[in-house]
Amino acid sequence: DAKTTQPNSMESNEEEPVHLPCNHSTISGTDYIHWYRQLPSQGPEYVIHGLTSNVNNRMASLAIAEDRKSSTLILHRATLRDAAVYYCILRRAQGAQKLVFGQGTRLTINP
Amino acid sequence: EAEVAQSPRYKITEKSQAVAFWCDPISGHATLYWYRQILGQGPELLVQFQDESVVDDSQLPKDRFSAERLKGVDSTLKIQPAELGDSAMYLCASSLVTTYEQYFGPGTRLTVT
Repeated sequence: DAKTTQPNSMESNEEEPVHLPCNHSTISGTDYIHWYRQLPSQGPEYVIHGLTSNVNNRMASLAIAEDRKSSTLILHRATLRDAAVYYCILRRAQGAQKLVFGQGTRLTINP
Repeated sequence: EAEVAQSPRYKITEKSQAVAFWCDPISGHATLYWYRQILGQGPELLVQFQDESVVDDSQLPKDRFSAERLKGVDSTLKIQPAELGDSAMYLCASSLVTTYEQYFGPGTRLTVT
């Protein structure tokens, strides 16, 4: 499984945008980029995923570099409820569907 | 909104005892996963089912852990005997075969004393 690198922690202020980076220099052409987050005392929840083009949904946006070696999860207007551990995961289009979680980024939101 | 159910939410057991966790996936989800999450780390897959068949149990410590999904719906994960190092959160997730999104339950927090 290709590896991702994320900062251990980040901090932001409420109602400001947050950019969470992820490096994946060994990504293969068939790897999708997935983001999950885990709120305190809860199981992880799906946030967004993409392959090559930028993606938007109601929770966040995913910006993927042209060479696909990095990506950024964007929370447009952070709330206190967005405080969580965010995991960037590569997942092959074919074969096993398992998620391989790293350490993730612990996001703190200041009121 | 449909959710993955797990029970119990918390379990304290003494080492060498047997313990079991139960998971009821979202209706219609053919794929079911059991993960273990040690405090401060990301979840690690223990076993993956496709209907009632095991697809991946490469990380399951088979000398003490067992998992079953007899009718392809709900599932049970058992530890016998429990060891101190088994203290962790045990998470169940499910997904439709054709989608990538996994839905996680709230987990069972196991403490072995």
